Amino acid sequence: NAGVMQNPRHLVRRRGQEARLRCSPMKGHSHVYWYRQLPEEGLKFMVYLQKENIIDESGMPKERFSAEFPKEGPSILRIQQVVRGDSAAYFCASSPGRELTGELFFGEGSRLTVL
Amino acid sequence: DAKTTQPNSMESNEEEPVHLPCNHSTISGTDYIHWYRQLPSQGPEYVIHGLTSNVNNRMASLAIAEDRKSSTLILHRATLRDAAVYYCILRPSGGSYIPTFGRGTSLIVHP
Repeated sequence: NAGVMQNPRHLVRRRGQEARLRCSPMKGHSHVYWYRQLPEEGLKFMVYLQKENIIDESGMPKERFSAEFPKEGPSILRIQQVVRGDSAAYFCASSPGRELTGELFFGEGSRLTVL
Repeated sequence: DAKTTQPNSMESNEEEPVHLPCNHSTISGTDYIHWYRQLPSQGPEYVIHGLTSNVNNRMASLAIAEDRKSSTLILHRATLRDAAVYYCILRPSGGSYIPTFGRGTSLIVHP
């Protein structure tokens, strides 16, 4: 059973370009979380999705950021018109759903560098 | 979410036991205690969880105080590969929730 797969692992963009980060959850998992980790800082929650639904996006910046988790295919975190402050590691995690104990399984992260 | 408090950092020598404390004085009766760790340049990984009884797995042991207001993650023999940031999180039972990661404890292991 493959783990959570994120790609690309490293992405370099110039200011103003778009960044698309993909996350394939573990097989059978229908819940996806996105977190951002700035250099030397902790993990900050961004968005929580189930298939075709955004459950909680309270951690998403109001502009330029969007996320989706379609019925088929990976979850996508999209950052439009990137700025240098978007440079960070973006981690995706998945879980099966409303199970009792609810541990999350994380991917290796996508590291975005904005020049 | 109930708050947890952990020391910012701890140090250990290789092959010695490590006890990583976590205070959660506002824990509710149905909150599970979860531990994750994040190795350098990697995503967090689940370590262990428990509710009331002490728990053991291949990675670590979890000792939970009788009043559940604190817990301790125990690494029985620290290795250099255990150097990581360790996070203690409370997970309400059932339903969906959003794990909130604090600063965690940065464990330094000396050879």
